[in-house]
Amino acid sequence: GAVVSQHPSRVICKSGTSVKIECRSLDFQATTMFWYRQFPKQSLMLMATSNEGSKATYEQGVEKDKFLINHASLTLSTLTVTSAHPEDSSFYICSARDLDRGILGDEQYFGPGTRLTVT
Amino acid sequence: RKEVEQDPGPFNVPEGATVAFNCTYSNSASQSFFWYRQDCRKEPKLLMSVYSSGNEDGRFTAQLNRASQYISLLIRDSKLSDSATYLCVVNSGGYQKVTFGTGTKLQVIP
Repeated sequence: GAVVSQHPSRVICKSGTSVKIECRSLDFQATTMFWYRQFPKQSLMLMATSNEGSKATYEQGVEKDKFLINHASLTLSTLTVTSAHPEDSSFYICSARDLDRGILGDEQYFGPGTRLTVT
Repeated sequence: RKEVEQDPGPFNVPEGATVAFNCTYSNSASQSFFWYRQDCRKEPKLLMSVYSSGNEDGRFTAQLNRASQYISLLIRDSKLSDSATYLCVVNSGGYQKVTFGTGTKLQVIP
């Protein structure tokens, strides 16, 4: 399948600081990437849809000023958690669609995730 | 009613057994359906796309029942390595967006 990388894989930060997570499509171009969050024993929840060259579309209840998304190129999207608090501790996962792969076109390929712990 | 519903399990089955999971969806306009597998503390990985005619990949068979609005996943000859959480994923009608079920946990026992 298509390869998506994410960096860092794990980060611990102090409350009030900001953390940037990178998501890259390594062998394909992704005009759209998705950012999810997963709390323990819960399903993935879509936070926002990241579109190359335009503003991200946020899901209801997700603060766009707190979770800044930048999709600067066809292979890179970043999520910055600003002024992080302990309740932001979670598993953040990005995904991307490769339009040239798959028949249905909606298949998503996931990065390995970033485990954020805010102390 | 949730958009996508799954029995959380766990399903504990012996090696070699056949096990089936169902997933119901509420939006009759849904067009795309998938099964993903997620191992503990790892990212989801695409297992199968689900086609209208059903599809099979080795020990795995996926079916779609539009009339009753559910998809199924059948695993034959279960292996220990099949132990994971299986996520049902449905295109809920929005542009490119999909909705994940909460997952069904499978534990294959020696």
